[in-house]
Amino acid sequence: KQEVTQIPAALSVPEGENLVLNCSFTDSAIYNLQWFRQDPGKGLTSLLLIQSSQREQTSGRLNASLDKSSGRSTLYIAASQPGDSATYLCAAQNSGGYQKVTFGTGTKLQVIP
Amino acid sequence: EAQVTQNPRYLITVTGKKLTVTCSQNMNHEYMSWYRQDPGLGLRQIYYSMNVEVTDKGDVPEGYKVSRKEKRNFPLILESPSPNQTSLYFCASSLFTNTEAFFGQGTRLTVV
Repeated sequence: KQEVTQIPAALSVPEGENLVLNCSFTDSAIYNLQWFRQDPGKGLTSLLLIQSSQREQTSGRLNASLDKSSGRSTLYIAASQPGDSATYLCAAQNSGGYQKVTFGTGTKLQVIP
Repeated sequence: EAQVTQNPRYLITVTGKKLTVTCSQNMNHEYMSWYRQDPGLGLRQIYYSMNVEVTDKGDVPEGYKVSRKEKRNFPLILESPSPNQTSLYFCASSLFTNTEAFFGQGTRLTVV
């Protein structure tokens, strides 16, 4: 059974700092790894999706990497801003006939002005 | 506007009273799924559907039913709700299994 872990559970950084969020998974047989952000009381917004054949994806100040062999993904946020404050979730989708999605419990990020 | 719409957004009900939470997407997506989100447990997949008339269990399907009679709709049915089904529920869709997922705004369900 796939297990997805995100450490740390919470992170507080000053504005302008570069930061890395971590996501690890136990089963490397995945279709993809997706990163989301969730604002309080809101749904999830997709940030980046990395296919299993890819090593990384970039969108603006965000860069996500995937290392299937070690079961790890990282989300790099450059020059953090107060508007980046949110909970960040990663999700792994299993490959094969049973294509479930397993989420981590998230990292709550606070960027202090 | 491309979106996933859930209704209702908030619902308080009593134990045992059947209810349905609707989910509709206007993007012609094939893959749809339901999740529940609980403090400390994160999001857990309840059911998913890879296409019309094709559904399968996620990690926590007990006490829930789904149907996919048409591509745009994927209702979640609680035949006999219990207090342990009090949770925040999300519906999501993606074009195919292996593409970006779009989430609805969530339904906060309380069963008393």
